[in-house]
Amino acid sequence: GAVVSQHPSRVICKSGTSVKIECRSLDFQATTMFWYRQFPKQSLMLMATSNEGSKATYEQGVEKDKFLINHASLTLSTLTVTSAHPEDSSFYICSGLQVALDTNYGYTFGSGTRLTVV
Amino acid sequence: AQSVAQPEDQVNVAEGNPLTVKCTYSVSGNPYLFWYVQYPNRGLQFLLKYITGDNLVKGSYGFEAEFNKSQTSFHLKKPSALVSDSALYFCAVRERAHGSSNTGKLIFGQGTTLQVKP
Repeated sequence: GAVVSQHPSRVICKSGTSVKIECRSLDFQATTMFWYRQFPKQSLMLMATSNEGSKATYEQGVEKDKFLINHASLTLSTLTVTSAHPEDSSFYICSGLQVALDTNYGYTFGSGTRLTVV
Repeated sequence: AQSVAQPEDQVNVAEGNPLTVKCTYSVSGNPYLFWYVQYPNRGLQFLLKYITGDNLVKGSYGFEAEFNKSQTSFHLKKPSALVSDSALYFCAVRERAHGSSNTGKLIFGQGTTLQVKP
């Protein structure tokens, strides 16, 4: 089945530094990648939607200059948290929408990244 | 406005007993409905989806869900719960595509923690 590989699974960084999270679709082409943020025992909050080769569309209240999203190819999307602060600590999850299976709405989720900013 | 509601924060059930996790939705038009399961510090795993056809959908790990249009519900069920079913469950909807305005976003419920006790 379809797999999205998300790395790193855990990262601890110092306040003020930047962190990059990668999501790769291993056996399908993801025309659209969704990036979510999840707080403990809460639902997923959509941060942005990115389409290959286009600028990402950010949800209201999400700072696009802080959360940089790149979707340069159909198999790779990255989220960079710039100048991270402790309040950015969270669980980040990506989800790829498959081209060929779009009519069946095949969403595949990465395994998530636990970001801790100290 | 589109929304998904999971009225129960937690559901407790004894192993071997049937379980139900409730979900209701509010979207324009006919929705595409999904159930996902999440284990601690992991991404979401797909359980089942309703697109069209039979209202009773069978999915992974013995789970099933019934689409009820009149009650706008899509409750998740399993005849006999296992301790290993203990996890966080999310219901989600995607509105059917209408022209170019549909981005494929999933709208998630707030999640229900299922606790199956031996």
